Amino acid sequence: EAQVTQNPRYLITVTGKKLTVTCSQNMNHEYMSWYRQDPGLGLRQIYYSMNVEVTDKGDVPEGYKVSRKEKRNFPLILESPSPNQTSLYFCASSPGQVTFPLGYTFGSGTRLTVV
Amino acid sequence: EDQVTQSPEALRLQEGESSSLNCSYTVSGLRGLFWYRQDPGKGPEFLFTLYSAGEEKEKERLKATLTKKESFLHITAPKPEDSATYLCAVHGAGGTSYGKLTFGQGTILTVHP
Repeated sequence: EAQVTQNPRYLITVTGKKLTVTCSQNMNHEYMSWYRQDPGLGLRQIYYSMNVEVTDKGDVPEGYKVSRKEKRNFPLILESPSPNQTSLYFCASSPGQVTFPLGYTFGSGTRLTVV
Repeated sequence: EDQVTQSPEALRLQEGESSSLNCSYTVSGLRGLFWYRQDPGKGPEFLFTLYSAGEEKEKERLKATLTKKESFLHITAPKPEDSATYLCAVHGAGGTSYGKLTFGQGTILTVHP
């Protein structure tokens, strides 16, 4: 089944303890992206990647890191999480056609709580 | 900076009562406008992509249209299972917006039996 898989689904952590949220897609998509969703603020893009070793900042990149060493994986790293990073996080991927971009497939989400 | 505004914020309909959701956008060169459906606690589910003004796409009770400044999602004879949050997003073409998707806040649709 074509899908984007995020892990974990739920995570409670303490301020300052480094964590990684994994994202993997099995569709050979070039584009991958991370979003956070907060009440009243909607979905905001954190980082995106157009291919292996190519990443760029979205609207809210502060406090996050990403890497794209393999086409299928795009982990999100919080080196020193803070309570304002408590949110619902989504990973998404797309075939990455330049002229006529195609819709993203989203993962099921990771609900992160930082205390 | 790309911007997307959706209206209304919330819409309550009776089953069978048709209506439209609006998505207004400003973007430096539109590569594509997307509509998604999101159920509570789940990831957005792709519905449509529109690329140029005048384009229309349909899927079951949903029809999406696009002009140079806005898009509409028309819902014909909705059913309770159409209840969800509907999200609009734009994919810009200019400068650093390449590869960047900007979402609106969404419209929460509730359809009562």
